[in-house]
Amino acid sequence: EVQLVESGGGLVQPGKSLRLSCAASGFSLSTYWMAWVRQAPGKGLEWVANIKEDGSQKYYVDSVRGRFTISRDNVQRSLYLQMKSLRVEDTGVYYCVRGPAVPYFYYNVDVWGQGTTVTVSS
Amino acid sequence: EVVLTQSPGTLSLSPGERATLSCRASQSVKTSYIAWYQQKPGQAPRLLMYATSIRATGIPDRFSGSGSGTDFTLTISRLEPEDFAVYFCQHFGGSSWTFGLGTKVEIK
Repeated sequence: EVQLVESGGGLVQPGKSLRLSCAASGFSLSTYWMAWVRQAPGKGLEWVANIKEDGSQKYYVDSVRGRFTISRDNVQRSLYLQMKSLRVEDTGVYYCVRGPAVPYFYYNVDVWGQGTTVTVSS
Repeated sequence: EVVLTQSPGTLSLSPGERATLSCRASQSVKTSYIAWYQQKPGQAPRLLMYATSIRATGIPDRFSGSGSGTDFTLTISRLEPEDFAVYFCQHFGGSSWTFGLGTKVEIK
């Protein structure tokens, strides 16, 4: 079964750091773009960051660039999001998602994790 | 960066009615790069459509997608009780994957 399982969320004070992890199973991680998508309480979806299948390209939404770092370990079948200098507005559910696969016939996010909740509050 | 504007914000309809959801891009985009998702309360989103008009695995044929250039549409031909949810469109840009703010389809 294709599955993504996030972990690492929790309550953290503003300015602190948190590292999210995502364990992938049931597919070959090394052939897919991967990404993090978040959702603030009662709000819509926001793409946060993505990373190419070999880790050679990484992109971030403007609001997190310089504070968040996306990374992956295809051998360990894992995706990560290191979050620093957290702000109250970073609060939300963070989804690990599977993106397009080589050779990029189609573009979509076809697998979503269940999400992990990050709460930034003093 | 492409900005996606979804309308209406909320659509109030009855089961059996037709739903038409709009997604407008701030610039012309390729149809290959437009996808739609459904999200129900407390659940992760689910892929509905990709490449504008291709239904994802297991999606019933009452869902259809169309559009080109800057205007894209998701149509639900006859609403079933399980279709009342929030729908998001998405664009896959070269370096960013942007979402629209969503359209909530609620029971009238």
